[in-house]
Formats: sequence, structure tokens, C-alpha cells
Amino acid sequence: QQQVKQSPQSLIVQKGGISIINCAYENTAFDYFPWYQQFPGKGPALLIAIRPDVSEKKEGRFTISFNKSAKQFSLHIMDSQPGDSATYFCAARSGGYQKVTFGTGTKLQVIP
Amino acid sequence: EPEVTQTPSHQVTQMGQEVILRCVPISNHLYFYWYRQILGQKVEFLVSFYNNEISEKSEIFDDQFSVERPDGSNFTLKIRSTKLEDSAMYFCASAMGGETQYFGPGTRLLVL
Repeated sequence: QQQVKQSPQSLIVQKGGISIINCAYENTAFDYFPWYQQFPGKGPALLIAIRPDVSEKKEGRFTISFNKSAKQFSLHIMDSQPGDSATYFCAARSGGYQKVTFGTGTKLQVIP
Repeated sequence: EPEVTQTPSHQVTQMGQEVILRCVPISNHLYFYWYRQILGQKVEFLVSFYNNEISEKSEIFDDQFSVERPDGSNFTLKIRSTKLEDSAMYFCASAMGGETQYFGPGTRLLVL
């Protein structure tokens, strides 16, 4: 019940295209859903996050869509760029200082 | 911009040896975490630490692991007797207490 399921495992997108990564969870106690971006050899860096009382959050080219009833959320990267090539992790947390539970990751490659 | 730092960046050790991984969290943060990432897999929670005590630990964090905040700035993870399966990237994270955990660049531990 603590798991966060993420798909796809890998994704290849043309430059300028839309990258979409999907996640699902079971634990209704999760109250904060961050997305992390990780480049090889680096730590995860917070990209964007959403709370379940909001259905969508947009920051620049990155948008989170959240469906509370379906317990699903997704990351959309508009106008994908080669510099976006990285591994993306969805995650979830319950409570202010609690641990972050990570999804399995999606390796995104944006090709010119 | 303040950041979490970790030393060493790489550590190679023999099975059965003790290792200490060091982290300097962001200075005004109150919550501290260790996570690990086995190569190609998701980031897994190990332990959280607040007010000089462990607040939560995962099943991975057995008696071979310990954490300490020996002074006002460092946060350490000790593995008493390393095993081959401890080989992973270890990430330290810190948080003020709100939503965002900031991750360090990681220590790559290789147990031979």
C-alpha cells in the first residue's frame, strides 16, 4: 500500500514533443506528491509538486495533473528539449516530515 | 543557494569493514534523512532523524546501520560491517519541516 507505481520505464520523445509520465498510488494518507529529476551521478532534485486538493499545477513547461478519485497523477513536459533527458521519479509523502516514497523512475531521452 | 553536501563522493571498501558516510545538511534545516539507490533502481528510504533521534526507519535499516548528528552541522550514516548488497548510491536529504526535502549529490559505495 506504500508503493507508488510509475510508467513507462523509459521514454523517447522528439525535441519539441510532449513527454508524459504516469503514476498511481494506493495510500490515501499521501498528501503531497513531488516529482524529482535526476541526472546521472547526481541526487534527485525537486522539479514540481502538488497537493491533492489541486487538480493541476503548471510551472513553465512542466505540468502535473492530479486525479484524486482515481489515485493517479502525471507529469507532462511540453516542448521537450534534449536538456530534459534525465530520469524522472514521481513520489508521495504523508505528513509534514515523513519519508518520501519514490516511484520506480522513468528514463526520458529527448532526441533532436 | 544553500545545498546539502556529502563526503566522500565515492568509497570503495572490503566486505565486513565499517564505513561512515558524511553529510552536511542545509544549515537551518531540522529534519534529516538517508536514502539509498541501488544501481538502476528506485530511491529507497532508510531513516529519518529529528530532534536528535530516529523518527522512522525502514526494514533495510537494520542493526548494522546507525545515524548520528555529532555536532551542529554534520549528519552521518555508519554501516558497521558492510555486505556486498550494501553497494549503492547513498543520498542524504534535509528539510526545514515543510514539504520539500533537498537531496545531496550522493556517495557511491562499492563493497568488494
